[in-house]
Amino acid sequence: EAGVAQSPRYKIIEKRQSVAFWCNPISGHATLYWYQQILGQGPKLLIQFQNNGVVDDSQLPKDRFSAERLKGVDSTLKIQPAKLEDSAVYLCASSFYGEAFFGQGTRLTVV
Amino acid sequence: QQQVKQSPQSLIVQKGGISIINCAYENTAFDYFPWYQQFPGKGPALLIAIRPDVSEKKEGRFTISFNKSAKQFSLHIMDSQPGDSATYFCAASKDSGYSTLTFGKGTMLLVSP
Repeated sequence: EAGVAQSPRYKIIEKRQSVAFWCNPISGHATLYWYQQILGQGPKLLIQFQNNGVVDDSQLPKDRFSAERLKGVDSTLKIQPAKLEDSAVYLCASSFYGEAFFGQGTRLTVV
Repeated sequence: QQQVKQSPQSLIVQKGGISIINCAYENTAFDYFPWYQQFPGKGPALLIAIRPDVSEKKEGRFTISFNKSAKQFSLHIMDSQPGDSATYFCAASKDSGYSTLTFGKGTMLLVSP
């Protein structure tokens, strides 16, 4: 079975610019997560979708971050404007019955 | 508030030795405790998971021990191999794993040849 696909793999932007990440979950997985992983730390949940509805976005910095999941499949995460502290790996994961499968992530560097 | 505390931060073990990583949680509503393994440049991958109705689960060289009263669980890697060198994350969630995972900060394991 194909895994969780994410793009791009790497992105370097200047602060105050905007950036978008794309995620294609495993087919049939209703739950989709976006996590932020800062170097040397564990992943931190940004947002969880169930189909195309938001279940949990309590830790999403809504003044600059936004996410959507159209038609309950693909998802995009956007940052606008980016700050230096947004430098991290952004991981997308999907799950069906509890077990979460992660993509390889997008490494964002904000300079 | 750190709901899942993991230790140690890093660990060096000789080939053939036993690697032990510990986690403690605070939220008694957690009822699903997975361990994830992450290699550089890759996303975390599920290694082994346990639910609180059992005190131990073994899969090959990997064993989870669970102590519900102490709110602690640990990962034991027997006969550690250089290929086990990776970062390990414990996690916890509610609703039998259907809720979001809360991760520990990770343990970087190096198995020396």
